[in-house]
Amino acid sequence: GESVGLHLPTLSVQEGDNSIINCAYSNSASDYFIWYKQESGKGPQFIIDIRSNMDKRQGQRVTVLLNKTVKHLSLQIAATQPGDSAVYFCAERWGNTGKLIFGQGTTLQVKP
Amino acid sequence: NAGVTQTPKFQVLKTGQSMTLQCAQDMNHNSMYWYRQDPGMGLRLIYYSASEGTTDKGEVPNGYNVSRLNKREFSLRLESAAPSQTSVYFCASSGGWTGELFFGEGSRLTVL
Repeated sequence: GESVGLHLPTLSVQEGDNSIINCAYSNSASDYFIWYKQESGKGPQFIIDIRSNMDKRQGQRVTVLLNKTVKHLSLQIAATQPGDSAVYFCAERWGNTGKLIFGQGTTLQVKP
Repeated sequence: NAGVTQTPKFQVLKTGQSMTLQCAQDMNHNSMYWYRQDPGMGLRLIYYSASEGTTDKGEVPNGYNVSRLNKREFSLRLESAAPSQTSVYFCASSGGWTGELFFGEGSRLTVL
């Protein structure tokens, strides 16, 4: 079946640098995309979302970009901090069914 | 405000035993979800409930049953546990059109 996938399993960045985490999705019917952060031993936490009729959305230090032409989603984190170290998941919602399908995750490691 | 509460947090079962994971939310959300997370993988949807009285299969429903007891509670049952069901199970809820899910802390299940 169709699924969400991530390009890289681990990303290592220097503290203060910008991070870019990528995600490829294959379900053209998905209408909503979300990024989650998961710290060790905890449940995922919502970071930012974007609807399919948008191509960019900004939050505090984070930006999500959506390219529907190539079915690609990215999360940009500005001035990465040690507290940003976690696993990041993208997720897509299949139309209006409410089913939220997650990708495999990218581990972000921030070097001091 | 407790949010999403899962019990138990840890459980060890023998193959063939049955058990029920309990989940309750106090945010008056309509939708509730059960995911499992295996090492190195993202969250996979087992079952979800769009509203009280309705349930629907997710990506990996085999070997599980669910009950949406009322608006607050959504339980996941393993009738005959298998080692392949060793995983961390997350319950989540959402309250509106957006996909923002609020997750519990997870239940770590080991089947010997």
